[in-house]
Amino acid sequence: GIQVEQSPPDLILQEGANSTLRCNFSDSVNNLQWFHQNPWGQLINLFYIPSGTKQNGRLSATTVATERYSLLYISSSQTTDSGVYFCAVVSNTGGFKTIFGAGTRLFVKA
Amino acid sequence: KAGVTQTPRYLIKTRGQQVTLSCSPISGHRSVSWYQQTPGQGLQFLFEYFSETQRNKGNFPGRFSGRQFSNSRSEMNVSTLELGDSALYLCASLAGTGNEQFFGPGTRLTVL
Repeated sequence: GIQVEQSPPDLILQEGANSTLRCNFSDSVNNLQWFHQNPWGQLINLFYIPSGTKQNGRLSATTVATERYSLLYISSSQTTDSGVYFCAVVSNTGGFKTIFGAGTRLFVKA
Repeated sequence: KAGVTQTPRYLIKTRGQQVTLSCSPISGHRSVSWYQQTPGQGLQFLFEYFSETQRNKGNFPGRFSGRQFSNSRSEMNVSTLELGDSALYLCASLAGTGNEQFFGPGTRLTVL
């Protein structure tokens, strides 16, 4: 099945710093999403981005489907950005199935 | 438009018992997927239902089962609970294949 790898696994930033989170996947996918999991476990939708580039405030994402990777950019980080960021890909091969990466745990220091 | 709702939010059970969790998708969404999240295994796909039919299932034992009703609401059942079933169970809804998934707040199950 499809493998999804996220890097780095952990990231500590000073408030105001920028960061790039990476998601590599091993096969072609139908779509890709980025989520932020808050301390209560809720998965917050950040981007639905099977290809191309999108921006939402301080966050932006780029997926290069032909090279099987996606990047999430966080600029001017804030303490409220802390949490776990997940990349999830969907494959229809063998039936609809979503595979999550292991996540990147981000801590932003004040 | 209301989001995805899950009930109950918290649950404590003992080994050997069974449990039923419920998920109501966003109005108009016909697909519901279930996931288990544990510290050791991360987020793992359990199964997906579309129009009352299970379309795919993850690698979980037969103690884990689910169903979907005609109004798209879904339930999952875990029988003969084990300590390792303690986890956050999340459900997601989407309008159809290839669309964006939206997650509910989850049910946190503790098995004692």
